[in-house]
Amino acid sequence: DIQMTQSPSSLSASVGDRVTITCRTSQTISSNLNWYQQRPGKAPKLLIYAASNLQSGVPSRFSGSGSGTDFSLTITGLQPEDFATYYCQQSYSTPRTFGQGTKVEIK
Amino acid sequence: EVQLVESGGALVQPGGSLRLSCAASGFTFSTYWMHWVRQVPGKGLVWVSRIKSDGNITNYAESVKGRFTSSRDNTKNTLYLQMNSLRAEDTAVYYCAREEGGDRYFDLWGRGTLVTVSS
Repeated sequence: DIQMTQSPSSLSASVGDRVTITCRTSQTISSNLNWYQQRPGKAPKLLIYAASNLQSGVPSRFSGSGSGTDFSLTITGLQPEDFATYYCQQSYSTPRTFGQGTKVEIK
Repeated sequence: EVQLVESGGALVQPGGSLRLSCAASGFTFSTYWMHWVRQVPGKGLVWVSRIKSDGNITNYAESVKGRFTSSRDNTKNTLYLQMNSLRAEDTAVYYCAREEGGDRYFDLWGRGTLVTVSS
């Protein structure tokens, strides 16, 4: 199974900040990496697919980059609605493993 | 409206069985691979199983293999998860999710249904 290591596990930030979350995989997965946002009590929501592609309807302040084993999600200009937990997930192979999540909290 | 709606979650005793359903609407269900993902309250997302569009291929996480069975009825636009020999550690919210074919990401999720395994 491909192991996913997300960091940090949590962070505190202010509205307007630039935030970066990283995800490292235990083996190369090309660009088969997706990012999801989950607000409390809600289902996950797709933000970025194939490492750097913005899902339709997702604000452009979200961006993704990386390939191989190292990936990142950046939020440029954090908004109040962005305080949530973010997960990376590999879609290279089954089982489709997720990172452990990064909780973005208000400073 | 394009949506997935899970149902069937309940309180069940250890060793018991439960069948979850996921009703799809607003899209051609029979053309998509579908997945189950679970989440212990307050914890992270864990992939559980997947099933091919025609139902002929299924895969499972090691933690549920031999106990859970995923199936689908494309005439009813419904995905199922039969859960047997349930354990306390199966307690979680169970989500169904649709897989987009090309890059295999999960682009549509249901709201989830809570399964609690406890005596």
